[in-house]
Amino acid sequence: DSGVTQTPKHLITATGQRVTLRCSPRSGDLSVYWYQQSLDQGLQFLIQYYNGEERAKGNILERFSAQQFPDLHSELNLSSLELGDSALYFCASSGRGEAFFGQGTRLTVV
Amino acid sequence: EDKVVQSPLSLVVHEGDTVTLNCSYEVTNFRSLLWYKQEKKAPTFLFMLTSSGIEKKSGRLSSILDKKELFSILNITATQTGDSAIYLCAVEASDSGTYKYIFGTGTRLKVLA
Repeated sequence: DSGVTQTPKHLITATGQRVTLRCSPRSGDLSVYWYQQSLDQGLQFLIQYYNGEERAKGNILERFSAQQFPDLHSELNLSSLELGDSALYFCASSGRGEAFFGQGTRLTVV
Repeated sequence: EDKVVQSPLSLVVHEGDTVTLNCSYEVTNFRSLLWYKQEKKAPTFLFMLTSSGIEKKSGRLSSILDKKELFSILNITATQTGDSAIYLCAVEASDSGTYKYIFGTGTRLKVLA
């Protein structure tokens, strides 16, 4: 158990809908990262938050947004979903040293 | 633009073989290089390398970093079917006082019995 919790584990939704993925980082970790992993692809960095503030942006679509709350948990909001958004979404957290990953949320858009 | 490139993309070997996975990088403000193993779900941490030329070892796995040539290798000796996974290389870089991780696309290793 990495200490990073992601909910839900699985999500199936229709195109055009909006979903929210939730991540609770390891206790004490201030940085939260979101990654997208499509089938047979590597991890694509989406966005990073540090202590509530956005710190880095990767290949995140405009339809996607995220935030980190005062209690350091983070949410990734995906809207106007398309079939191609189906993927595994990982959250990771770090303090100093390596990043620890949650088990991921598998999103299926039908 | 920061990038991490892994090779090969995919590898199939028989049990007992030795494999070498490569990771090259171009990153500003390099801090460390990390290797992860991803089986079914979340990547799990293997090694963190910060200094050139110092081998890190854990059982049959070992890794070394060359900061001059900007690459790292991950060796797995006497491979077993349980080594089948995607091996991810990531570089940690400092960015305005915080840190970010840039991942390669991974090497998919399949070990046949």
